Amino acid sequence: EADIYQTPRYLVIGTGKKITLECSQTMGHDKMYWYQQDPGMELHLIHYSYGVNSTEKGDLSSESTVSRIRTEHFPLTLESARPSHTSQYLCASTPISGTGDEQFFGPGTRLTVL
Amino acid sequence: QKEVEQNSGPLSVPEGAIASLNCTYSDRVSQSFFWYRQYSGKSPELIMSIYSNGDKEDGRFTAQLNKASQYVSLLIRDSQPSDSATYLCAGGYNKLIFGAGTRLAVHP
Repeated sequence: EADIYQTPRYLVIGTGKKITLECSQTMGHDKMYWYQQDPGMELHLIHYSYGVNSTEKGDLSSESTVSRIRTEHFPLTLESARPSHTSQYLCASTPISGTGDEQFFGPGTRLTVL
Repeated sequence: QKEVEQNSGPLSVPEGAIASLNCTYSDRVSQSFFWYRQYSGKSPELIMSIYSNGDKEDGRFTAQLNKASQYVSLLIRDSQPSDSATYLCAGGYNKLIFGAGTRLAVHP
């Protein structure tokens, strides 16, 4: 089982602010992912990375950006937060060695933009 | 058609009964399939994975995969109120594609 950490767990912020959501894992997983999920709704992949210096956009268009400078760290940044960004953001990672592509999720960050 | 489809539910079963959750997929080259449980306000938790045709059992959970029919299911035996959650089916290679989830309600 993976140890994936996300901070902050809850964030309330005003429109126009720049924010960075942190995600880190201590298991050396190469693959990491960011999902956005509204309450009671499905998961939407917004960014993923297969390793250091590798980042790709996901299936849902997002105004956020990501970086992967270190294996264990995959932060997500919103340059100018808007109320439409209010959602839960979930980070996940996949082990290097495993029997498949199972993803393990962090606890999530619940973002509210006023 | 979505690539991974689930009945949104809610599926309501009495305590002690078998809950049957179903999922169909459209991608014929999917190699791996997973079931996640998500409690309200929490993140998804992996409960079962299945890679080959047939059944895989783990405690009260049984996953079934039929690649020819593009069908994967999850059976929960002796359902408990603590099993009440949304169950997500996911499949794919490298990137997982998640279904929208089925809400399960187990009533005493």
